[in-house]
Amino acid sequence: NAGVTQTPKFRVLKTGQSMTLLCAQDMNHEYMYWYRQDPGMGLRLIHYSVGEGTTAKGEVPDGYNVSRLKKQNFLLGLESAAPSQTSVYFCASELTEGGYGYTFGSGTRLTVV
Amino acid sequence: KQEVTQIPAALSVPEGENLVLNCSFTDSAIYNLQWFRQDPGKGLTSLLLIQSSQREQTSGRLNASLDKSSGRSTLYIAASQPGDSATYLCAVRRVKGSGAGSYQLTFGKGTKLSVIP
Repeated sequence: NAGVTQTPKFRVLKTGQSMTLLCAQDMNHEYMYWYRQDPGMGLRLIHYSVGEGTTAKGEVPDGYNVSRLKKQNFLLGLESAAPSQTSVYFCASELTEGGYGYTFGSGTRLTVV
Repeated sequence: KQEVTQIPAALSVPEGENLVLNCSFTDSAIYNLQWFRQDPGKGLTSLLLIQSSQREQTSGRLNASLDKSSGRSTLYIAASQPGDSATYLCAVRRVKGSGAGSYQLTFGKGTKLSVIP
């Protein structure tokens, strides 16, 4: 029972490099989300998706892009990494909107130097 | 804009003690409220989900209450154990509608709980 799987778990990037974080869920959930967690800031929503082929901006979308080509996968891309994007990134999913609560992945710790 | 506050930021209690964690929110028009647990270096685990029409939810030694009118929720942990040591996060979801706000949880910054053996 994998639930929500995030890869990679850790990554160090140099400023200006690009990378993609992968989130995969095997629960047939419609809704998927990307959050970042920073000390003293709590979790903040970056982007979300309400179904295959859809994406929308959250609270802090700048510098990130996302894609949901398959229902089970939600990709978060950083085109040109900046030190301000050093954070822990969490993916979450839920079956329907609001009713059953979120299932979170274990996170990706990203450091941009 | 919804703001969620959790007090205290940290709490240390001896094993066996009952304890209460507090969560307050500024906009009472919420859809539901969820309590999570986060262990160091790990993701968030959902503990309890309370719909806006409910007053409380229970799971084992955990009991969460919701008072929408006062903008408050509490998480009660009975007979605390060292394994309960973690950060507890409260998150509220606004009323369903269209647009980004319908889907976004607003998180508090958490209460770090330490249960001393």
